[in-house]
Amino acid sequence: EVQLVESGGGLVQPGGSLRLFCATSGFIFSDHPMDWVRQAPGKGLEWVGRIQNKGNSYSTQYAVSVKGRFTISREDSKESLYLQMDSLKSEDTALYYCAVTTKGYWGRGTLVTVSS
Amino acid sequence: SYELTQPPSVSVFPGQTARITCSGDALPKKYAYWYQQKSPQAPLLIIYDDSKRPSGIPERFSGSSSGTMATLTISRAQVEDEADYYCYSTDSSGDYVVFGGGTKLTVL
Repeated sequence: EVQLVESGGGLVQPGGSLRLFCATSGFIFSDHPMDWVRQAPGKGLEWVGRIQNKGNSYSTQYAVSVKGRFTISREDSKESLYLQMDSLKSEDTALYYCAVTTKGYWGRGTLVTVSS
Repeated sequence: SYELTQPPSVSVFPGQTARITCSGDALPKKYAYWYQQKSPQAPLLIIYDDSKRPSGIPERFSGSSSGTMATLTISRAQVEDEADYYCYSTDSSGDYVVFGGGTKLTVL
């Protein structure tokens, strides 16, 4: 069974940092590009960024809204995905999902709230 | 930045056919995917590679793509199909992923 479990969300002040984690199982993690996707309360899905697999040099791409502030990394040996979020803004408040979007593998998300 | 455009809402009566469109300049070259989301659940992939259906997705869901428009068709719509539907694709480089704004389907 495919499982993706996000953790690390919480309440953080504007300008602060947070690191999200995604533990996976049930599929060959190292084969797949991995995405972070977020959804603000009552809003639509917004792609945050992607990290490619080893064969594509672990290259990363980010949405314009987070580029320069967020960093995606992965650890294939641990089948884990990470999202380092710095210089957080109130508009980053959302439920953050890790996903293999082309396969339909999603976690349940972890909530990040940026507020003073 | 690249955008995919969907209508905000679509309404049909039970048993009718619902069509949800998604327009984007790169769609002639890039596959479209469709997700269904019933809050507060995670999104569910219902169409991939323009027109393929994952196992377990009812046959009444189908997808097509022509030119700069992809279309999700829900035949014989049921009340349980009420949900938000999102198209998803990449820009022409393939590097940047984008979701459409979402379409709220109401089955009256």
